[in-house]
Formats: sequence, C-alpha cells, structure tokens
Amino acid sequence: EVHLVETGGVLIQPGGSLRLSCAASDFTVSSSYMNWVRQAPGKGLEWVSIIYSGGDTYYADSVKGRFTISRDNSKNTLYLQMNSLRAEDTAVYFCARATKGYYYVSGSFYYYMDVWGKGTTVTVS
Amino acid sequence: DIQMTQSPSSLSASVGDRVTITCRASQSISSYLHWYQQKPGKAPRLLIYGASTLQSGVPSRFSGSGSGTDFALIISSLQPEDFATYYCQQSYSTQWTFGQGTKVEIK
Repeated sequence: EVHLVETGGVLIQPGGSLRLSCAASDFTVSSSYMNWVRQAPGKGLEWVSIIYSGGDTYYADSVKGRFTISRDNSKNTLYLQMNSLRAEDTAVYFCARATKGYYYVSGSFYYYMDVWGKGTTVTVS
Repeated sequence: DIQMTQSPSSLSASVGDRVTITCRASQSISSYLHWYQQKPGKAPRLLIYGASTLQSGVPSRFSGSGSGTDFALIISSLQPEDFATYYCQQSYSTQWTFGQGTKVEIK
C-alpha cells in the first residue's frame, strides 16, 4: 500500500535548525513530485515546498532562503531542512505525493496531491 | 503568487442539505484546481482534482465545477461524515497555494 511517514518533529528554540524526514512505501520518491505542506495550530493549510522528479525545487515566500527540500533516492525518503526557525514556523508538517493529471482541453499536464502522511509536529518556542 | 479565496469561511447545514462552497483565484488557473477534505487531527483527503474529476473512492454526492478563476465544490446531500473543513488548492503556478478553508458545521 502506498504510504508516507513523517518523522523529526520536536520542540526547538527560535533560530535553531531541524531536518524532517518523510519515508515512502510502494512508490519511488525520485520519480514523483513531492511536497511539504504545513498547518499552524488552529489555522489552514499552507503549501511549503515542492521537488519535481527532475530535481527542480520551489518554495513558499514565507520559507524561501531558510528551508531546503531534498531527497535520498537510496532511502526513498524526502527531507525538509529547516534553518533559522521562527515561532511562526510552529505547525504540523505533512509530506504529500503529487500525481500527474491530464487536461484534455489544452493537452497539458497538472499535478495534484493524492497521498498524504499523517504529519509531524514542529514547535518553535 | 496566486491568491485563492474561498467562501463562505464557515457554514451551518443539516443532514440532507445541498451545500456549495466557492473558490476564486486571483488569476486564471485553467482547471488546475483541487479540493480536499480535512477532519480534526487528520491529514487532508483529496476529493476532486482537475476541477471536476472525482478521486477514486470518494462518494458521488461530491462534485466540482468551474474553470479559469471561479470554481465550486458541491455536496448534493450532506451526510454526517461530511462535517469537516474543505480547502481548494491551485497547482497552476510553481508556488502552489490553498484557499483559507471552509468549515462545514452541523446546524
């Protein structure tokens, strides 16, 4: 069964660094578009970052320059390196696989998040 | 980045009601719009992708419509298990964004 498990969430002081991991089962991380999405306590979902199968990476403006998304193909694992942490980074962090869809009207492809992990909690305080 | 605005932010409805949630993008996003359901303490669940395609295993009372900037999620007959928060999300740009969410509560 396709499965994602996030680990690494802890209580950490402002200014600290942390690396989250997301282990995948029954599909290949390196062949997929993989995302990090977070949710602050009592708030909505916020997209954080994506890594394409080809290796391109993109970030939300709120984390650009502080967070780095990467993957280890040999471990089939996604990572999020988080530096210069702030109180506002406190959230549950989910990893999610994005699957390709086809828009027949324009003949173009798009991606949507179809598999999610249960999340790991990061508290910056 | 592309802003996604959902309305309403919350609503109260009864079992059996027809519910419509709308989502507006700050620029055209074609049909690169997806809907998720989230219950407290749980991960989001994909309901609709590509604006109108029902994800496998999702009940047919859920449907989606729209293209360009205006989209809708419709629940034709609200069931007890549908009380949750719903989010739209665009994947048109390189920076993906979610709407702020719509909480569906029991009347």
